Amino acid sequence: DTGVSQDPRHKITKRGQNVTFRCDPISEHNRLYWYRQTLGQGPEFLTYFQNEAQLEKSRLLSDRFSAERPKGSFSTLEIQRTEQGDSAMYLCAETGERGGPDTQYFGPGTRLTVL
Amino acid sequence: QKEVEQNSGPLSVPEGAIASLNCTYSDRGSQSFFWYRQYSGKSPELIMSIYSNGDKEDGRFTAQLNKASQYVSLLIRDSQPSDSATYLCAVKDNFNKFYFGSGTKLNVKP
Repeated sequence: DTGVSQDPRHKITKRGQNVTFRCDPISEHNRLYWYRQTLGQGPEFLTYFQNEAQLEKSRLLSDRFSAERPKGSFSTLEIQRTEQGDSAMYLCAETGERGGPDTQYFGPGTRLTVL
Repeated sequence: QKEVEQNSGPLSVPEGAIASLNCTYSDRGSQSFFWYRQYSGKSPELIMSIYSNGDKEDGRFTAQLNKASQYVSLLIRDSQPSDSATYLCAVKDNFNKFYFGSGTKLNVKP
């Protein structure tokens, strides 16, 4: 257990619905990343925050996706008007100094299924 | 497009053997390199990080980095069935973005 938590662990939704995921890191001061992982692939970068500032956003992140990190603590990832292609594992990772520079610690993930 | 390439496997080795996993990356400016282990249905778990050319050993694991060849490898000595998992190579660029390979599936046979 890395100490990074995500909620919910599983989400099943119908196409067209909105969903929101939450990530709680250990520290408010570390960088926080969101990734998407599909079967047989490695995690794919979506966005990251330093404190409350969103510093980078993947071109893969359409305007249906939005992420926030209010007050530099927990973060949320919202997907609007979900599509079947959004079905994936959504991973949150915290980067800090625990294991050395830039080491990432992943939460357990939220598995999204869009019907 | 920055890429990280891994052989998807599966790589099968007998228990007690050495497993060798390889990774190449495209961004010559990358400075930080990582190996993660991922069990089916679980999230990635950090095994090793390496930042400079050469070898880095941690228990049964040795990471090797050759920046000139843009090549990173992971050796697992005395492989155990519990090492059976997918191993992900990751590279950090100069903009704090991480790029992951698609992973190599390792099977260690008792």
